[in-house]
Amino acid sequence: EPEVTQTPSHQVTQMGQEVILRCVPISNHLYFYWYRQILGQKVEFLVSFYNNEISEKSEIFDDQFSVERPDGSNFTLKIRSTKLEDSAMYFCASSVSKTVTPGYTFGSGTRLTVV
Amino acid sequence: AQSVTQLGSHVSVSEGALVLLRCNYSSSVPPYLFWYVQYPNQGLQLLLKYTTGATLVKGINGFEAEFKKSETSFHLTKPSAHMSDAAEYFCAVTTIGAQKLVFGQGTRLTINP
Repeated sequence: EPEVTQTPSHQVTQMGQEVILRCVPISNHLYFYWYRQILGQKVEFLVSFYNNEISEKSEIFDDQFSVERPDGSNFTLKIRSTKLEDSAMYFCASSVSKTVTPGYTFGSGTRLTVV
Repeated sequence: AQSVTQLGSHVSVSEGALVLLRCNYSSSVPPYLFWYVQYPNQGLQLLLKYTTGATLVKGINGFEAEFKKSETSFHLTKPSAHMSDAAEYFCAVTTIGAQKLVFGQGTRLTINP
């Protein structure tokens, strides 16, 4: 069964450093998403991306965050200057269409720890 | 705005007992409702979903959920718990045309032998 792949599974970074989280969506999917789950809290939507543009973003997704599809397969989330409160599990998801469908598939996540 | 409330951050049941995980939602328009499961160190796996039609929805691993509009609920049940059901369960809501899911806080299910 097709999977969304996220790398790395764990990343530790120092406060103030830039970090890039990588995702390989399912190959025929066109819509891409990032979610965040701070330890012990709910999973929260960050951003959706389609046709090389952000289509929706949450209040969490401020100027410190950016997303990019640098090539035909990868979808990345960059945090420019990490803060302690950015420590969380970050999930990538992709879907074949705009609405949430059975094809809306999550990756296994990247646990980011900012020290 | 939509929201989801999962009653009980931790639920513990004995193997073979009924599993009941509660989810209530708030939505001003007809909702689409989902249950996801997260096993340790894994991603979010879709258990089942309700969009339209039959209000009793069957999912994978013997789970089912019933959409009750009058109660704004979408509780998840399984008649007989198995040790392999131990995981974190998330209820989520969205609406037609929406791109994002709104999640509840999750319920950690523990199965006692």
